[in-house]
Amino acid sequence: RKEVEQDPGPFNVPEGATVAFNCTYSNSASQSFFWYRQDCRKEPKLLMSVYSSGNEDGRFTAQLNRASQYISLLIRDSKLSDSATYLCVVNLHSGNTGKLIFGQGTTLQVKP
Amino acid sequence: DTGVSQDPRHKITKRGQNVTFRCDPISEHNRLYWYRQTLGQGPEFLTYFQNEAQLEKSRLLSDRFSAERPKGSFSTLEIQRTEQGDSAMYLCASSPRDRAQYFGPGTRLTVL
Repeated sequence: RKEVEQDPGPFNVPEGATVAFNCTYSNSASQSFFWYRQDCRKEPKLLMSVYSSGNEDGRFTAQLNRASQYISLLIRDSKLSDSATYLCVVNLHSGNTGKLIFGQGTTLQVKP
Repeated sequence: DTGVSQDPRHKITKRGQNVTFRCDPISEHNRLYWYRQTLGQGPEFLTYFQNEAQLEKSRLLSDRFSAERPKGSFSTLEIQRTEQGDSAMYLCASSPRDRAQYFGPGTRLTVL
């Protein structure tokens, strides 16, 4: 079983749509959680950290359910520029120290 | 540009040859990480340094792989006797203590 599992998609949505991605992680000792964005043939970039209380950054909302070991990302009012691969990431350490464990990524294609 | 830099950006080599990649982290970032990413997968952790000390190595880092960070600044990753399965994107990331990891553009290795 992979340590972090995501539906690879692709998710094809029209502009303005709301789309949700989910991932699950296997190690209950995981301490910190993130979503990274990766554009085609580019490096991953931190999109947002994920907190147990849930957190929002503009059109993006992230949720964490520690009991279910489940992380989600909601994107509202999708833009063409949101097209990318979204990587679910966990860390056994607090903060962003130590190794990051990545899911395989979920591909989003936003169409006009 | 004061981001993480990697050199070369692309490397094509024949099976059995040795290759060396370089990573220059963001200035004053004391932590430096190496990851490997193959097509359709998320990055996989290889190793990380705090200053010049190599603190963790993945089991993915076989005895053909070696990484150094001799003065706690730039790092090199060497692969000896390359195999076709080594073809991947090699990503370097750096971070200050307990903060986000910033990735470089990667070195794409193709082993023929």
